[in-house]
Amino acid sequence: DTEVTQTPKHLVMGMTNKKSLKCEQHMGHRAMYWYKQKAKKPPELMFVYSYEKLSINESVPSRFSPECPNSSLLNLHLHALQPEDSALYLCASSQNLGGGETQYFGPGTRLLVL
Amino acid sequence: GENVEQHPSTLSVQEGDSAVIKCTYSDSASNYFPWYKQELGKRPQLIIDIRSNVGEKKDQRIAVTLNKTAKHFSLHITETQPEDSAVYFCAASNHDMRFGAGTRLTVKP
Repeated sequence: DTEVTQTPKHLVMGMTNKKSLKCEQHMGHRAMYWYKQKAKKPPELMFVYSYEKLSINESVPSRFSPECPNSSLLNLHLHALQPEDSALYLCASSQNLGGGETQYFGPGTRLLVL
Repeated sequence: GENVEQHPSTLSVQEGDSAVIKCTYSDSASNYFPWYKQELGKRPQLIIDIRSNVGEKKDQRIAVTLNKTAKHFSLHITETQPEDSAVYFCAASNHDMRFGAGTRLTVKP
């Protein structure tokens, strides 16, 4: 399996809802990432996990809560989001963390917050 | 931290022509420079990459050049085809990866 998968593909939620985004890879990669991408903009790094431990948190609001239950799974829990959080949320993975590591992206979850 | 600038923001070429996209980076410690292609509604896909110990790399119609002294790298696409139309992102990586703003390439048949 050489792919990163993400569910759901689309998500619509209200500002009081709680939802979770899921990401999975079976390539044996030990680093996993969450990015946020607004329309016509590049992906923006949110969180990085290395060996299931949070390595980088790019000052993301606490309404986004990442979780790495095991080396193949990465979740992003969402609570009390704002309309400006509507975006494409991309998961990526790489063999290890650090410079020189190729990142492979999942198809993304398109989130709309009403 | 790393800052990556990418030019042009839009590029329109005729089918069969060449396209060149240029990026500069700020952190001299960056050592890995991937290029991603993102079609509308799809994920970014790696098309080519180069590491700091190499000056040029080619894969069929796509080539990337790196000038470490000047801290810039470029993507060259030859014999462009309509299916090359997409947004292209350059990136520079040291500890983490930073993307350029993207170039929307349109190839007219």
